[in-house]
Amino acid sequence: NAGVTQTPKFQVLKTGQSMTLQCAQDMNHNSMYWYRQDPGMGLRLIYYSASEGTTDKGEVPNGYNVSRLNKREFSLRLESAAPSQTSVYFCASSQGTERETQYFGPGTRLLVL
Amino acid sequence: QQPVQSPQAVILREGEDAVINCSSSKALYSVHWYRQKHGEAPVFLMILLKGGEQKGHDKISASFNEKKQQSSLYLTASQLSYSGTYFCGTEMDSNYQLIWGAGTKLIIKP
Repeated sequence: NAGVTQTPKFQVLKTGQSMTLQCAQDMNHNSMYWYRQDPGMGLRLIYYSASEGTTDKGEVPNGYNVSRLNKREFSLRLESAAPSQTSVYFCASSQGTERETQYFGPGTRLLVL
Repeated sequence: QQPVQSPQAVILREGEDAVINCSSSKALYSVHWYRQKHGEAPVFLMILLKGGEQKGHDKISASFNEKKQQSSLYLTASQLSYSGTYFCGTEMDSNYQLIWGAGTKLIIKP
């Protein structure tokens, strides 16, 4: 049982480049989330998917797009990276959205130059 | 809207107790507590629900004062393994989305 996995672990981009962060879970969870974590600011929700086939904006969705590829996989895309998107990105999953435990992946550290 | 956590940091000796607080300016439906060690992912500790229900670990206790819109996490007889940054996530609008505090860094010394 790997839990929640994320790829890549580290990435350096130049301003304007695009990339996709991948996330997969093997716990048969219905809900998945993308967060970013910046120093001193805690976690901020970018997008979430309550169930397969649905996605909704979170607190800071601008500059990002997501795809819930299937029940296991939830990807986050940066179409044109900006230095303000330098952060640590965490994917998480939960059985449902109704006040359930969230299980986090190991994170992707992204640096945009 | 971000909840306020206090203290920002605390240093303890092994065996001492600590209280971490999380306060909101809005009414809360639930409060979630997680611990994150440096360079690792956050790990679930506890959920406190409006009405008094709790879900979480037996060795960690917490309170949720709905009227004061705040929650406290109690760490007793602290162990070295308790070190890390503690985050509260608050549900404010009954939409299950969590707004997270900035964290409380806990350092336990032997």
